[in-house]
Amino acid sequence: GAVVSQHPSWVICKSGTSVKIECRSLDFQATTMFWYRQFPKQSLMLMATSNEGSKATYEQGVEKDKFLINHASLTLSTLTVTSAHPEDSSFYICSAKFSPLGEKLFFGSGTQLSVL
Amino acid sequence: QKEVEQNSGPLSVPEGAIASLNCTYSDRVSQSFFWYRQYSGKSPELIMSIYSNGDKEDGRFTAQLNKASQYVSLLIRDSQPSDSATYLCAVSSGGGADGLTFGKGTHLIIQP
Repeated sequence: GAVVSQHPSWVICKSGTSVKIECRSLDFQATTMFWYRQFPKQSLMLMATSNEGSKATYEQGVEKDKFLINHASLTLSTLTVTSAHPEDSSFYICSAKFSPLGEKLFFGSGTQLSVL
Repeated sequence: QKEVEQNSGPLSVPEGAIASLNCTYSDRVSQSFFWYRQYSGKSPELIMSIYSNGDKEDGRFTAQLNKASQYVSLLIRDSQPSDSATYLCAVSSGGGADGLTFGKGTHLIIQP
């Protein structure tokens, strides 16, 4: 159990376009999902907390109008990078907590975004 | 601001030896501690979790926690080349709805 599916695994897009990344909890309900970003040789940085049925909570310095998060159901959260630019190129990873196992986070497989 | 510190390495260990990875954290109210393993280009994989002071063993892995010193470590016994990866220390303050704060990770190399 506790499988988190994320896709696409990688995406290449032109500067100025928008990209949507999906994150699904396959065998459990996740009222809260988390979106992280990781630059090469850096740690995971929490971008935002996605709450089912309500607005996401963004970390300081993360532009909420640029990184749109929607958590429409208990099993799906999406991150849309709007008007992407080369500096947005990064590895984006979603995660969810499987409550019976306490505070443990389970991660999706990640999305490598390259903006040309 | 919550901080989690790790030596970035690389830490090179001969095959069969014990690898010791260390982590310190700044937030005294932290309650949950995790070690994740991350291969290049992949997402993190949970290795160990620890919540109370002392040692916790799982197979070849032992996590150690000392809340007074704000220190957590991971020991890998009988290191294998497949253990070569970046090991991320992560800390949570609890409460159920907060994400984890990660260290930058230690790059571990097991030499055959």
